[in-house]
Amino acid sequence: AQKVTQAQTEISVVEKEDVTLDCVYETRDTTYYLFWYKQPPSGELVFLIRRNSFDEQNEISGRYSWNFQKSTSSFNFTITASQVVDSAVYFCALSEWTGGGNKLTFGTGTQLKVEL
Amino acid sequence: DSGVTQTPKHLITATGQRVTLRCSPRSGDLSVYWYQQSLDQGLQFLIQYYNGEERAKGNILERFSAQQFPDLHSELNLSSLELGDSALYFCASSVGSGVENEQYFGPGTRLTVT
Repeated sequence: AQKVTQAQTEISVVEKEDVTLDCVYETRDTTYYLFWYKQPPSGELVFLIRRNSFDEQNEISGRYSWNFQKSTSSFNFTITASQVVDSAVYFCALSEWTGGGNKLTFGTGTQLKVEL
Repeated sequence: DSGVTQTPKHLITATGQRVTLRCSPRSGDLSVYWYQQSLDQGLQFLIQYYNGEERAKGNILERFSAQQFPDLHSELNLSSLELGDSALYFCASSVGSGVENEQYFGPGTRLTVT
């Protein structure tokens, strides 16, 4: 069975600090997709990024960057120069083929608090 | 705004009752997924439909059922409600049914069972 581990339950930083959220996954599939979602205090889940198992290039989008390392089964997320608006719960997820459809297996989430 | 709509936003009901949660996917999306988010279980996949057909099933209780209609909206029915069913229920949608598809989530329905 697939598994996603986010060992950091809660992280607190001061605004403008850089912060890295860790994600480690387990899967037997050779082709798979990883995702990050953000859940702000308002409660909705916001899609941030998708990465497939064949593409190990790091990705950068503004202050966000993602480091995918297949050798260590990790897909870490870094926020540079954090802002108060980044305060949210961040979820890493792994997509699993079920033989007709798919489902996301989520980690337990990391609560990020950015303070002034 | 993801383009996925869910109604109602909040629902308070008593144990033993039955409720229906409704979801409309993003325009053009054929897949609909249901997830449950609770403090003790986290985010759990319930079920997926693609163009009206059930395609994947998670640990969905027998008291729960879902369907996707010809206009692609979906309903999740929860019956014989228990206190432990109190949770945030999310609907998500995607274009296709495969693992490569990004799932876009609705705002959720917060169910409180008293």
